[in-house]
Amino acid sequence: AQSVTQLDSQVPVFEEAPVELRCNYSSSVSVYLFWYVQYPNQGLQLLLKYLSGSTLVKGINGFEAEFNKSQTSFHLRKPSVHISDTAEYFCPVKGNKLVFGAGTILRVKS
Amino acid sequence: ETGVTQTPRHLVMGMTNKKSLKCEQHLGHNAMYWYKQSAKKPLELMFVYNFKEQTENNSVPSRFSPECPNSSHLFLHLHTLQPEDSALYLCASSQDRTEYNEQFFGPGTRLTVL
Repeated sequence: AQSVTQLDSQVPVFEEAPVELRCNYSSSVSVYLFWYVQYPNQGLQLLLKYLSGSTLVKGINGFEAEFNKSQTSFHLRKPSVHISDTAEYFCPVKGNKLVFGAGTILRVKS
Repeated sequence: ETGVTQTPRHLVMGMTNKKSLKCEQHLGHNAMYWYKQSAKKPLELMFVYNFKEQTENNSVPSRFSPECPNSSHLFLHLHTLQPEDSALYLCASSQDRTEYNEQFFGPGTRLTVL
């Protein structure tokens, strides 16, 4: 079985500041890791995914994430956020099924 | 239409009503999913269909009845719902059930049960 812990329910940050959204997982099998974003009143959109290979994964909208197997983490980062990045972010893991955590709301302030 | 579409986007129904949610994917995928998203709770996988066959039912109450007539369409039939069933219902699709295939989500149907 897999589980996901998103350590922060909300992350407030000022515009143009860097941000890191934390994600830890546990699994007894090999997993694939994803980050999705959900803007208000919309469905989920894939930001990036880690399947294998380089542990630093670059996604859309300037986001990147780093897979750390020893720490079972897959934190999402962006060097400079915009107001439009305000949304909820999810990091599901997929072993035999896609398992979601509770999500992290990123609030970008001007 | 592109991607995954869902209709209606909003639905208000009484506990005695019968209604259906519709999902259509235009991606040529073979797997489709229903999720329930409630406030302050992780997304809950409800049903999975792969090549039109139901492969997963995660202990969903029988007042939710899925139907998958073909690989492009997925329905969720609702009857005698409870107020706690109010939530955002998301449909998703993927190429198939292979672990590395990401899921593509629709915009959801916001359901309110009075």
